[in-house]
Amino acid sequence: GQNIDQPTEMTATEGAIVQINCTYQTSGFNGLFWYQQHAGEAPTFLSYNVLDGLEEKGRFSSFLSRSKGYSYLLLKELQMKDSASYLCAVRNTGGFKTIFGAGTRLFVKA
Amino acid sequence: EAGVTQSPTHLIKTRGQQATLRCSPISGHTSVYWYQQALGLGLQFLLWYDEGEERNRGNFPPRFSGRQFPNYSSELNVNALELEDSALYLCASRRTGGTDTQYFGPGTRLTVL
Repeated sequence: GQNIDQPTEMTATEGAIVQINCTYQTSGFNGLFWYQQHAGEAPTFLSYNVLDGLEEKGRFSSFLSRSKGYSYLLLKELQMKDSASYLCAVRNTGGFKTIFGAGTRLFVKA
Repeated sequence: EAGVTQSPTHLIKTRGQQATLRCSPISGHTSVYWYQQALGLGLQFLLWYDEGEERNRGNFPPRFSGRQFPNYSSELNVNALELEDSALYLCASRRTGGTDTQYFGPGTRLTVL
């Protein structure tokens, strides 16, 4: 079966760094995505990892370890506008089906 | 480049009625995915269409159905609406053969009274 776990909520301070973890079990891994979703809006694509290692994109970085079934999203220099839900999603090899985690709600405080 | 569009933005129905939701993918994208996001919950995969055919479906009853048209736009139909069908329905499109990144539309908020 497939399962994705990520923390329900996190709180961090403006200007700080926060790491959002995601663990997964899947029958055939074929890529991991991170999306940002502000309340009442559609998810927007942040990052894609298919090989082990760190992908950096501005203030956002995403890491993947396939052997551990583990990823994290790192947000640096937090801004108030980063308050949102962050969704971890795993695509499997069977039919390009992408399974989303329940999301981590990040609250950035001043 | 225009993004994924969905209509209507909001839809209010009563129990037992039928709802039709529409999605137009990004130009050049041939795959369309439908997801249900109930309040406070994660995205639940509903259906995947590619090149006009249903390729996969999630764990939803048969009253959730859809189709993809020759221009790759898609419809999601929900029959015999139940109160728990109230949710945000998101459509995403993907370019076949690409990195499989899905780009989401703004969603249709369905309320069943």
